[in-house]
Formats: sequence, structure tokens, C-alpha cells
Amino acid sequence: DTEVTQTPKHLVMGMTNKKSLKCEQHMGHRAMYWYKQKAKKPPELMFVYSYEKLSINESVPSRFSPECPNSSLLNLHLHALQPEDSALYLCASSQKWSSGGYEQYFGPGTRLTVT
Amino acid sequence: GENVEQHPSTLSVQEGDSAVIKCTYSDSASNYFPWYKQELGKGPQLIIDIRSNVGEKKDQRIAVTLNKTAKHFSLHITETQPEDSAVYFCAADLDSSASKIIFGSGTRLSIRP
Repeated sequence: DTEVTQTPKHLVMGMTNKKSLKCEQHMGHRAMYWYKQKAKKPPELMFVYSYEKLSINESVPSRFSPECPNSSLLNLHLHALQPEDSALYLCASSQKWSSGGYEQYFGPGTRLTVT
Repeated sequence: GENVEQHPSTLSVQEGDSAVIKCTYSDSASNYFPWYKQELGKGPQLIIDIRSNVGEKKDQRIAVTLNKTAKHFSLHITETQPEDSAVYFCAADLDSSASKIIFGSGTRLSIRP
């Protein structure tokens, strides 16, 4: 089973709202990722968690706050977003975060619209 | 830093014909090259990957070739079918110390019936 699940599928939020995106995998993977994808563009890495610790923050604005409560779950907390933050937010996981190039498996994404 | 260029940006082929998508990368330390297929409304799906110690890898109708000297790698899809219509992304690992990958800009493949 190479499934990564994400909820919600769609989210519309105002600029003053607080919301959270959720991601879950049960493959025993120890690395989890958040990507942002704008229309007609490739995914852009935002955050990497390795063994539940934040390993990479790609200079993401603080209005995006990641959290990894355990090895299977990854959250992205959203607060005071801007309309330009509207995008598809993808979660991915891989066996490890280390040399060797481990396969990353993506979830279906959350389509976020900020009004 | 690593840069991955992908061509063409759009490709239309007759059903049953072959499709080829090409990528180049800049970091000679890259060792891992995955290919992803993304259908409308879905997340990217890993379809095949290749590592630097291998020149070619095949999985049914899909094959990937790698030329490390020239820093080129390509995706070949034979006997194309309507369900092959999607956006395809190549990628390369940023360096050999971690699993960070950089994506190409994508190729929108359309299969004409």
C-alpha cells in the first residue's frame, strides 16, 4: 500500500481564518513533506520532517506552521493567509530523508482558495 | 544550485505511437532521477525512477534512459493509450546527502484518438 491521504480535499478560507490541513500515511515512512503547487507549475518544497523533527524549512512565511504529531501524521496550520497562497497543497512521504534518493509518494492534495 | 530543464512543454501524439520527454540537469552529483505523472485533480504519481549506476530501466510500456556524461535523462512511452494523457514531471535529487528533489517544469502529454 503506497497511499498517502489528505483532508480536506477542498478548502475555502478568508484571510482572517485559521484552518489546518491534515496528511496521513501508514507505510512506516519516517520522512514527510509539504509541497505547494500553483497551476501549470511543478510542486515546490515547503517543509520536510524526518523522524518527526523539522529538517527543512524552505523560507516559508510564518503564516504556514507545520506540525508532525507522530510518525504517521503531518499537519499544516494556516493563519492570516493571502490570496496568492491559493494553490494545491501536497503531502508526500518517503522511507527516509537521507542520501540515496528515496521514492516520494504523494497524496491527492488539498485545493486551497483564500478569499 | 540544481536546475532541471524539461522539454517539450506540450506534446501531442497519435494513439499507439511513442512519446519521448527529455530532461537535463546541472548538478553532476545528482544520483536519483524519478518521473511523475499527474492527472487532472490528482497528486503526482511516481511511475518510474532510475539511479546513476544504471543506464536504462524499463517497466512494461515505460522506459527511462540516463546519460550521466551528458547530464540527460529521458522518458519513453510506447504504444500510447488515452489514459497516458497527463502532465509528466522529471526530477533529480539536489545532492547526494538527502532526498530533496527538484522538478522539471512539466510536459502536458495529449493522446489523439
